[in-house]
Amino acid sequence: KNEVEQSPQNLTAQEGEFITINCSYSVGISALHWLQQHPGGGIVSLFMLSSGKKKHGRLIATINIQEKHSSLHITASHPRDSAVYICAVPSRSGAGSYQLTFGKGTKLSVIP
Amino acid sequence: NAGVTQTPKFRILKIGQSMTLQCAQDMNHNYMYWYRQDPGMGLKLIYYSVGAGITDKGEVPNGYNVSRSTTEYFPLRLELAAPSQTSVYFCASASGTGADEQFFGPGTRLTVL
Repeated sequence: KNEVEQSPQNLTAQEGEFITINCSYSVGISALHWLQQHPGGGIVSLFMLSSGKKKHGRLIATINIQEKHSSLHITASHPRDSAVYICAVPSRSGAGSYQLTFGKGTKLSVIP
Repeated sequence: NAGVTQTPKFRILKIGQSMTLQCAQDMNHNYMYWYRQDPGMGLKLIYYSVGAGITDKGEVPNGYNVSRSTTEYFPLRLELAAPSQTSVYFCASASGTGADEQFFGPGTRLTVL
């Protein structure tokens, strides 16, 4: 089973700051997921990436497959970015099927 | 598209009671999952299904049962509820092999007293 570690666990930032959240995993993977859990509890997928970098608005996700490490960056952070950010990686669960193993999440609070 | 829907949103059970958490998806996804989320912990997989009629245990299956008679529905049954089952439960679905993007329901907050 893949082990997933996220850092930091908690992060408080001033509005406008550049944010970095890190994710490390133990077993080589085909792709890595970043998810966002809103304060109300809903979970949405932000990115799925297998190499390099992806960008969506002010969010940027990068992955280094050799180092088994990914980062999620938020540029010009805003209070509405306050949420829990979760990293997840697939683990094989049977012939041709996979499960996701999730990190514990990073709770981000952006203060105006 | 409603996506993934779950009912109920909240429920309080007494120890020993039973209940079924409902989950439905309208995206024709083969893969469906049940997770529980405890405070400060990552999502833990309870059961999953790779298609109608096929289910398998995840990491924390004890005290739960599932069935998948159709592609759309994947109910989770709690028998003899215990305080340790107090948690937030999420249902999710995915296409492809299950390594693809998962779509989550809004969650059910369950308290067992």
